[in-house]
This record gives sequence, structure tokens and C-alpha cells, in this order.
Amino acid sequence: DAKTTQPNSMESNEEEPVHLPCNHSTISGTDYIHWYRQLPSQGPEYVIHGLTSNVNNRMASLAIAEDRKSSTLILHRATLRDAAVYYCPPRSGAGSYQLTFGKGTKLSVIP
Amino acid sequence: EPEVTQTPSHQVTQMGQEVILRCVPISNHLYFYWYRQILGQKVEFLVSFYNNEISEKSEIFDDQFSVERPDGSNFTLKIRSTKLEDSAMYFCASSEGLGSFTDTQYFGPGTRLTVL
Repeated sequence: DAKTTQPNSMESNEEEPVHLPCNHSTISGTDYIHWYRQLPSQGPEYVIHGLTSNVNNRMASLAIAEDRKSSTLILHRATLRDAAVYYCPPRSGAGSYQLTFGKGTKLSVIP
Repeated sequence: EPEVTQTPSHQVTQMGQEVILRCVPISNHLYFYWYRQILGQKVEFLVSFYNNEISEKSEIFDDQFSVERPDGSNFTLKIRSTKLEDSAMYFCASSEGLGSFTDTQYFGPGTRLTVL
């Protein structure tokens, strides 16, 4: 089964950049890397995804390692609203539909 | 921006009763999913649905569960005889496609199911 490794928790000061790492050494060559976040009592919220190249959108940037075995979600200026659990869930396996959510990284933002 | 909606936001039921959780996926999406999250635990996959058929299901999705797309907009999860351990947040998700740039799953806000 596909698996990812993320730190359990991270802290950032408000207005500072945050780099959230994810190791996904078993990802298949054709699977997109997705990041989601979950605010308290809400559903997972899509943040960003990419395949090989680095990606930017209005929420964040995604830096993907050349070998695709790891990626980093970058929040350029953390706000209090960014305090959430961040996930990089892989698909369960080749041809699988299911996303496998782990414990994710709980990001705390300090005012 | 299009979004997945779910009703009700909170459902309280007695053990043994049937419940139906409703979802309206994003309109041009073709793949539909249910996940659940027991309080304090991970988000777990239940089932995926495409072309009016179950595509994949987890071990959790036993005979007590069923899914249906009764019309062109709704997607439902039915639990036939609820147990205490079915108490959880249930999330519906949808995606445009699979295995490509369009396979991003978008999640609804969830239905909190409480079984007494």
C-alpha cells in the first residue's frame, strides 16, 4: 500500500513562511501529488496538486523533488486561518480510487 | 466556486434505525466518494461510485451500507441498522475524472452522525 510520512506537528509565527514536508517514496510514476488541509470540524479542503513540476496557486506553492519521492507545501505567509491539519494522501494503490489519509501535520500558527 | 454540499449537517438516531445521508456533488463530476472520520481519528475511505456502480469499497463498507444516485444530482449513503460505532463525521467527495489532472477529490462539509 502507498504510504506517506509527515511530521506530527509544526509551529509557525504569523506572517512567516511555512514549509510542510511529505515523504511519499512509494508513489507511482503517474499519480499526482495532492495536498489537503482540514480545519477543526470541517471536511478536508483541497489545497494544491502537481505531478513533476513545482506548482503555485492562490493558497500555496508545491515543490516536488526531482525523484518525486518527496514534496513540500509552502505557505508563503502563515495566517491564523492556516492553522489546520495538513495531509498529502496517496492513492491506496495502482488503479485505486481511495485516498489514504494518515495523521497529517498539525500546523499551529502563533500570533 | 462550485462546491459539494451535504445534508443534514447533524443527524441523531437511535441504534438499529436506518439513516440516509445526502450529498450533492459538483455538477460536472463523474466520480463520487464517501469517507468517514471517527472523532479524533483519521479520515477513512468507505466507497467510490462511478457510472451507477460501486468502483471500490473498503472493509468498513459492509452489508449495512449502501450507496445510490437516485437522480442526476444527489448521491446518498444509507446505513440500514445503525450501531454505536457508526457515530462519526461522514464526508462526501467528488472528482471530475480519475488518474489525471482531473482526479482531484473535492470534499463536502460533512454530516455528523450520532448514534444513541
